[in-house]
Amino acid sequence: DSGVTQTPKHLITATGQRVTLRCSPRSGDLSVYWYQQSLDQGLQFLIQYYNGEERAKGNILERFSAQQFPDLHSELNLSSLELGDSALYFCASSPLSRGGLAGVEQFFGPGTRLTVL
Amino acid sequence: TQLLEQSPQFLSIQEGENLTVYCNSSSVFSSLQWYRQEPGEGPVLLVTVVTGGEVKKLKRLTFQFGDARKDSSLHITAAQPGDTGLYLCAGESGGYQKVTFGIGTKLQVIP
Repeated sequence: DSGVTQTPKHLITATGQRVTLRCSPRSGDLSVYWYQQSLDQGLQFLIQYYNGEERAKGNILERFSAQQFPDLHSELNLSSLELGDSALYFCASSPLSRGGLAGVEQFFGPGTRLTVL
Repeated sequence: TQLLEQSPQFLSIQEGENLTVYCNSSSVFSSLQWYRQEPGEGPVLLVTVVTGGEVKKLKRLTFQFGDARKDSSLHITAAQPGDTGLYLCAGESGGYQKVTFGIGTKLQVIP
């Protein structure tokens, strides 16, 4: 158990809908990262927040948005869903804000499996 | 777009065998990480390498970062069923905005 929690575990919805994925980081971690994992593209970094502020942005679509709240939990909002958005969505947390992998250990949650029908 | 290619994509071996998986790119990375992911769970960090030519060992796992920092390998000695999982490499160049993950090598160790 990494200490990172994600809800829901599974989500099935229809094209055009909007969903919200929730992540609670490990106690004391200020950074939250969101990733999308699909079979054909592997794990893709979407966005990072540190202590409530956006820190880095990766391959995140304009239809997707995220935020980190004062209690440090984070939400990833996916709108106008398409079939291709079906994937595993992971949240990870770390205590540091430092950009880059070196010396930064991230702890991943169990993921939310999103299925768009 | 930086690309990290992992090979082989699938590997099924008998318990006790040795194996090596590779992570290759045409780009230079300032650091590289290896993760193991089990079904239904998130990836777990195994190691970070930052110096060209660096070798790190974690019990039966040996990680090497290429001299030119464009490639890396993971060697497992005497594989055990508990090593089964998806092995991912991730390379960083220019901060977190430029982190690239490979698709992974799915390893199955048969008892």
